Amino acid sequence: KQEVTQIPAALSVPEGENLVLNCSFTDSAIYNLQWFRQDPGKGLTSLLLIQSSQREQTSGRLNASLDKSSGRSTLYIAASQPGDSATYLCAVRGTSYDKVIFGPGTSLSVIP
Amino acid sequence: NAGVTQTPKFRILKIGQSMTLQCTQDMNHNYMYWYRQDPGMGLKLIYYSVGAGITDKGEVPNGYNVSRSTTEDFPLRLELAAPSQTSVYFCATLPTGFYEQYFGPGTRLTVT
Repeated sequence: KQEVTQIPAALSVPEGENLVLNCSFTDSAIYNLQWFRQDPGKGLTSLLLIQSSQREQTSGRLNASLDKSSGRSTLYIAASQPGDSATYLCAVRGTSYDKVIFGPGTSLSVIP
Repeated sequence: NAGVTQTPKFRILKIGQSMTLQCTQDMNHNYMYWYRQDPGMGLKLIYYSVGAGITDKGEVPNGYNVSRSTTEDFPLRLELAAPSQTSVYFCATLPTGFYEQYFGPGTRLTVT
């Protein structure tokens, strides 16, 4: 059974720091992995999607990597800003349309 | 193009009442999903649908029912509401090809 964990559960950094959020999964037979951002009381916004055949994806200050063999993905945020404060979730999709498992999220606070 | 819309945004139910959470999409995506998110937790799959007329259970289906008579609509029915169903409910869609998943803004439900 696929299990997804995210470390740390919460993170507080000063503005301008580079930071890394971690996502681990137990079953490497995945189709893709998606990173989301969730603002308090809001829905989920897709940040990056990495297919199982890819190693990384970049969008602006965000870079997500995927190492299927070790069951790990990282989300790198460069030059963090207070507007980056949110909860970040990773979701792992298995090889069928129903098998998507979410991690519990990392709550990020960027201090001005 | 409104994407995924959900109504209502908020609802308070008394124990034993019933209600229907509405989800509508205008992206012509075949796959639709209902998730619930409890405080500090990731999302758990309640039900999903791979097309009109086809639905199936997810990880936590007890106490819920769904129907999918059209591609656009995927309502979630709660019968005999219980306090354990207090949660935020998200509807999501997925296009064929398993690319990015799109989420609605959520319905915050409290059962007292």
